Amino acid sequence: DAKTTQPNSMESNEEEPVHLPCNHSTISGTDYIHWYRQLPSQGPEYVIHGLTSNVNNRMASLAIAEDRKSSTLILHRATLRDAAVYYCILRDGYGQNFVFGPGTRLSVLP
Amino acid sequence: KAGVTQTPRYLIKTRGQQVTLSCSPISGHRSVSWYQQTPGQGLQFLFEYFSETQRNKGNFPGRFSGRQFSNSRSEMNVSTLELGDSALYLCASSPLGGSYTEAFFGQGTRLTVV
Repeated sequence: DAKTTQPNSMESNEEEPVHLPCNHSTISGTDYIHWYRQLPSQGPEYVIHGLTSNVNNRMASLAIAEDRKSSTLILHRATLRDAAVYYCILRDGYGQNFVFGPGTRLSVLP
Repeated sequence: KAGVTQTPRYLIKTRGQQVTLSCSPISGHRSVSWYQQTPGQGLQFLFEYFSETQRNKGNFPGRFSGRQFSNSRSEMNVSTLELGDSALYLCASSPLGGSYTEAFFGQGTRLTVV
């Protein structure tokens, strides 16, 4: 699996949008971009995933660069419950398993 | 729909002992993967089972093994426990295990080796 690079930590104010960046310059054409988050004392939780086009769901939006070498997870209005470690992961089309990096620790300030 | 269930939630074992952890996937899911999470190494993939067959394996010693039953429930076993095996062990299930689908994680089993 190709590697990803994320900032170690980010901070946001409650009810403001948060943009979490991820670089994946060695991404291949069959790699899907997945985002998971892990709240304290819990297992990782699926957030969103995409291949080429931008994706939206009830939790977040995923913006994928045209060259696919970077992506951004967008939380439209951060809440205190969004404080977690966010992992950006690439999974190839053959279904190889997750390779987790250190992720971005998001703090949300009231 | 019930989520992924891991038992037990907490476990304390002594060096040299062996341990078996259990994972019940979401009903209908055929793929179960196991991960080890430690503060120093983060989340690391152990192995994946699909339809009772090991499909992928991470870079862990042979002391770590697993199996999957016909009802998709999975167990992992660690023999000759070492202090460094203390970790949170997570399992994840998905319908087919492909990269285009999401995986659902359990809350994990926290193993402490003393």
